[in-house]
Order: sequence, then structure tokens, then C-alpha cells
Amino acid sequence: EDQVTQSPEALRLQEGESSSLNCSYTVSGLRGLFWYRQDPGKGPEFLFTLYSAGEEKEKERLKATLTKKESFLHITAPKPEDSATYLCAVQANSGGYQKVTFGTGTKLQVIP
Amino acid sequence: ETGVTQTPRHLVMGMTNKKSLKCEQHLGHNAMYWYKQSAKKPLELMFVYNFKEQTENNSVPSRFSPECPNSSHLFLHLHTLQPEDSALYLCASSQDLRTGVYGYTFGSGTRLTVV
Repeated sequence: EDQVTQSPEALRLQEGESSSLNCSYTVSGLRGLFWYRQDPGKGPEFLFTLYSAGEEKEKERLKATLTKKESFLHITAPKPEDSATYLCAVQANSGGYQKVTFGTGTKLQVIP
Repeated sequence: ETGVTQTPRHLVMGMTNKKSLKCEQHLGHNAMYWYKQSAKKPLELMFVYNFKEQTENNSVPSRFSPECPNSSHLFLHLHTLQPEDSALYLCASSQDLRTGVYGYTFGSGTRLTVV
């Protein structure tokens, strides 16, 4: 069974204090790993797709990396507006349907 | 209007009521999904539709009944719900079932409370 584990569950940072969120996964036939951002009362918003080990993607203060067992979302010099829950998901082959499995998320709070 | 739109945003219903959730997308996507999001739990896939045809029913109780009249609209009909069904119900769409480079586009969800 595909599994996605995110850590930590919650993270509190001072503004400007860089850190990383972790997403470890166990899946057969990885087709893609996704990062989403979810603000309170809203649906998840797509950030990145990573396909293979060694791949990196960047967007403003965020950088996502991928290995064969885990992905990291690095946040450099975060600002209060980066406060949100960050979700990781993996897509894998499951018969004829490419199943997507989500983690429980990391709730990030950036304090001014 | 672009993106994925869900209505209503909030819904309170009694256990004997019948209500429906609506989802609409104007992205030209062919696949649509219903997800349930509960506190401290991962997003739980409920139903998948591809070109209006249901392709996945993830062992969802029959008190939840989906309907997809066309590729742009998706409904979730609710009846005889239980308090444990209270959650955020999210609709999502993608170009096709492969999800692709851009992942899913989610709506803002319907916050459902069953009393």
C-alpha cells in the first residue's frame, strides 16, 4: 500500500528563519510527487511536481527536492504570508488508474 | 469565471435531510474528483469521473451519491448523513487521469456540518 508521511506535523518559525519540511514516501511505480499549499478555508493550491530523484524546482522562497525515498520543501527566509499547511502527494500506477495518495500535511506558522 | 467553483461554501444539515453539493470547472479539464478532508487525516478520495464516466468509487457509503452530467459539472448528493460525515468536501479537476505537470486544481470546498 502506498504511504506518504510528512514531518513535522507543525512548525513555527520566526520571520527570516529558514527550514525544511519533509515528505517520505513508499510507493510502487512513482509517477510524480506533488507539493500543495493550503490556506485556512480554502482548497489546496498546486506548487510543484517532481518526477525523478535529483530533480529540483523553485518558486520564490520555496525549493522542492526529490530523492528515491523522500522529498524536502525548503523555505528560505520565510515571511508571515508563507504561513499555511503544506501538503505532499504521490502519484503511482494502480492498475489502469494512477492513484494519488496525500500526506496529512505540515502546518507552518511564520511569526513576524 | 475561471478555476473550480464549489457551492455552497458552508452547509449545515440534519441527519434526515437531503442536500446536494455542486462543483463547476471552466478549465476544459476532462477528469473531476470528490475528496473528503477531515482534521488530522490525509485527503480521502471518494469518486473519480473521466469524460463523465465514473472510474473510481473508493468504497464510499451509499448515502453519498455522485452525479456528473458533463465534463464541467459534478454534484454530490447527500442523504441520511451521520455526524462523522462532517468535513470539508473538496472538488478537484485535472486535464486527464494522469494528473500531469500541473497536478489537480481544487475548489475552495464545502464545509459540511451534520447535526
